[in-house]
Amino acid sequence: EVQLVESGGGLVKPGGSLRLSCAASGFTFSSYGMSWVRQAPGKGLEWVSFISESRTYIYYADSVKGRFTISRDNAKSSLYLQMNSPRAEDTALYYCARVHYRAYAFDIWGQGTMVTVSS
Amino acid sequence: EIVLTQSPGTLSLSPGERATLSCRASQSVSSSYLAWYQQKPGQAPRLLIYGASNRATGIPDRFSGSGSGTDFTLTISRLEPEDFAVYYCQRYGSSPTWTFGQGTKVEIK
Repeated sequence: EVQLVESGGGLVKPGGSLRLSCAASGFTFSSYGMSWVRQAPGKGLEWVSFISESRTYIYYADSVKGRFTISRDNAKSSLYLQMNSPRAEDTALYYCARVHYRAYAFDIWGQGTMVTVSS
Repeated sequence: EIVLTQSPGTLSLSPGERATLSCRASQSVSSSYLAWYQQKPGQAPRLLIYGASNRATGIPDRFSGSGSGTDFTLTISRLEPEDFAVYYCQRYGSSPTWTFGQGTKVEIK
């Protein structure tokens, strides 16, 4: 079964740090670009970051650029998001998503991990 | 920056009825990179349509997508009880970046 499972969410203070993880299974992880997408409580979807299969290409939304870092370990079939200096507006459910190789749509999603930024 | 505007915000329909959801882009976008998602309460989004008109794996044929340029449509031919949800359009574009519309809620009338 194709599956993505996020972990690492929780309560973090503004200016602190948090690392999210996403474990992939059921497909060849190293063959797909991956992204993080977030959803603030009661709000819509917002793309956060993308990393290509071999880490050649990495992109961020302007809202997180310079604060968040995406990475991956293909040997462990895992995706990560290092969140530094989070702000209250980063409070959201963070989804890990596989990127469709041709359409650049998100074809597989995890169940999400909740991040709350509060003092 | 290209903005996607979905309408209506809420669509109130009965099971068996036809649903027509609109996604309008502020500038022309490539239909190759226009997608639609369904999200039910407490669940992750699910890809329905990619490339404007291609159904994703396992998606029933009552879901169809169409459009080009700045105007795209998701049609649900006959609403089933499980189709009442929020629907998002999304585009991939230069920069590169991924942008979502604000969503349309399809609710039971």
